[in-house]
Amino acid sequence: GNSVTQMEGPVTLSEEAFLTINCTYTATGYPSLFWYVQYPGEGLQLLLKATKADDKGSNKGFEATYRKETTSFHLEKGSVQVSDSAVYFCALLSGGYQKVTFGTGTKLQVIP
Amino acid sequence: EAGVAQSPRYKIIEKRQSVAFWCNPISGHATLYWYQQILGQGPKLLIQFQNNGVVDDSQLPKDRFSAERLKGVDSTLKIQPAKLEDSAVYLCASSLGTGNRELFFGEGSRLTVL
Repeated sequence: GNSVTQMEGPVTLSEEAFLTINCTYTATGYPSLFWYVQYPGEGLQLLLKATKADDKGSNKGFEATYRKETTSFHLEKGSVQVSDSAVYFCALLSGGYQKVTFGTGTKLQVIP
Repeated sequence: EAGVAQSPRYKIIEKRQSVAFWCNPISGHATLYWYQQILGQGPKLLIQFQNNGVVDDSQLPKDRFSAERLKGVDSTLKIQPAKLEDSAVYLCASSLGTGNRELFFGEGSRLTVL
């Protein structure tokens, strides 16, 4: 079956540091890949997505590139802010019925 | 555009009692999902509806959980009887249903079973 593996958190960074959160996946066919974010006290919301190999999704300074050869979709940001503190979930969508599978989430804490 | 609505936001019950959660998806969204999110874990799909038909309920504990989506709009998730391990946040999400669409989530219903 499909699965998503994320690096374990929590990740603690100082403001303006570089962020990488690793995500690898196992899936049949050609899934679409997503990063969702959950800010404290809020619901999950889409951060970025990529629908085919070599696509780069980007939003709010975050980027992730769909790497089919390494089955990865790592999230990066060049300079994090305190407001980026949240839990980040990698997810994949596949199959005719658009089933979405989530990773376990990585908590990011950015300190001033 | 109104988002996905869920209620109640919080519920505390004793084990062996029953509970029901309600979800109203975004208007026009054909696909509706119920996820269970246990503290410290990622969301786990319980059931997925396409309009009012079930397309995946492989991880739904059918001896105690049930869900329905009447008229292809609102949905209800029921747990009866509840166990301690059912303590979690129950997330409802909806999507347009085709073409790699994103999921839109409600704020969730937090269940505590004592």
